[in-house]
Amino acid sequence: DTGVSQDPRHKITKRGQNVTFRCDPISEHNRLYWYRQTLGQGPEFLTYFQNEAQLEKSRLLSDRFSAERPKGSFSTLEIQRTEQGDSAMYLCASRTGQALNSPLHFGNGTRLTVT
Amino acid sequence: AQTVTQSQPEMSVQEAETVTLSCTYDTSESDYYLFWYKQPPSRQMILVIRQEAYKQQNATENRFSVNFQKAAKSFSLKISDSQLGDAAMYFCAYRRAQGGSEKLVFGKGTKLTVNP
Repeated sequence: DTGVSQDPRHKITKRGQNVTFRCDPISEHNRLYWYRQTLGQGPEFLTYFQNEAQLEKSRLLSDRFSAERPKGSFSTLEIQRTEQGDSAMYLCASRTGQALNSPLHFGNGTRLTVT
Repeated sequence: AQTVTQSQPEMSVQEAETVTLSCTYDTSESDYYLFWYKQPPSRQMILVIRQEAYKQQNATENRFSVNFQKAAKSFSLKISDSQLGDAAMYFCAYRRAQGGSEKLVFGKGTKLTVNP
């Protein structure tokens, strides 16, 4: 169990640029989640994958955001035409589907700063 | 929609003392899961303790225990014998148990300071 890995740890970009983040979940976890956390707030759900299928998307996920998990392993989150309001910590988490109450395991997050 | 409320933005405790963090939630579901997560400064979020709503017995994990009051929709976390390493943000979270959304709904968090 190497844990959930996210890359990069930090990303600074200019408004209007596109950015892409990567998440590698724990290998045996078939469920993968993206959350966004702003300063002083709890994480907010963005989207959820079961294997390669994106089964749930939050209304927070505007059409500038897209997530993929092409082979049911790693996932990418892309933000197009970034805005200053996109500045946040983007957290990835995974869990096994073997138990209904299995907890989420979080990565260290990618901190995005849009200037 | 489910909501989770943590009414204490900050709490402090003396090392070796006991502290209780509050959490209330709102749901129309009868079956769900509740969690407390800990987020140390600049470190990843980790699970502290979890509770299944169908279980009447309060969960315990070493120095951490919960007081789950289903009727009151309350889920407080008690930390006994507080240690310096307990200093962190603590988030209460809710997830429905069956069908529908998989999302974990978090409160805004309580910042716990442990004084030596």
